[in-house]
Amino acid sequence: GDSVTQTEGQVTVSESKSLIINCTYSTTSIAYPNLFWYVRYPGEGLQLLLKVITAGQKGSSRGFEATYNKETTSFHLQKASVQESDSAVYYCALGDLRTGNTRKLIFGLGTTLQVQP
Amino acid sequence: DPKIIQKPKYLVAVTGSEKILICEQYLGHNAMYWYRQSAKKPLEFMFSYSYQKLMDNQTASSRFQPQSSKKNHLDLQITALKPDDSATYFCASSQDGAYAEQFFGPGTRLTVL
Repeated sequence: GDSVTQTEGQVTVSESKSLIINCTYSTTSIAYPNLFWYVRYPGEGLQLLLKVITAGQKGSSRGFEATYNKETTSFHLQKASVQESDSAVYYCALGDLRTGNTRKLIFGLGTTLQVQP
Repeated sequence: DPKIIQKPKYLVAVTGSEKILICEQYLGHNAMYWYRQSAKKPLEFMFSYSYQKLMDNQTASSRFQPQSSKKNHLDLQITALKPDDSATYFCASSQDGAYAEQFFGPGTRLTVL
């Protein structure tokens, strides 16, 4: 089946340091997968951070970047300099366009980012 | 103001009972979804609706029945509850469009004893 694997558990990074959260995907049934990063800040709901629809493209938002690499089936999330306010849970997701323009999202387990001052 | 309302926030039920989880969205979206997240598992897609019609059902059990009484409502009825149904249930919605973003509600945490 289709699945998403991302950096497990918690990642602790000091403020102003760089970050990478790994995400790889596997799909046997999705012809044109789309890739997403969602984030849940403390006390808030899940929200979209960035998305990339086409292989080879890069998405960016709030200083975060991710490149859709079809060859390595990866979509790693990177940021050059993290801030304390980036502390949150990050979810990588694979999207499958379905009937009626709806999309089924397949999520990874989530990675908790703790940024230390 | 919250754009997607889920009620209740927490729910405790006994095995064998029936509960309804409420979801209302005020984003003007035509597509709505249910996802579930059990302990130590990823969010799992359950259903999608578009214009109040079922588009996709990835739930094996008929004990889970979505109900759409209005365009901006998609409730989830769960019958014959089991302890394994304990999870946080998330409602989401999106505009009609191939690349539309899904917006998620805050979730209902269900515990079945």
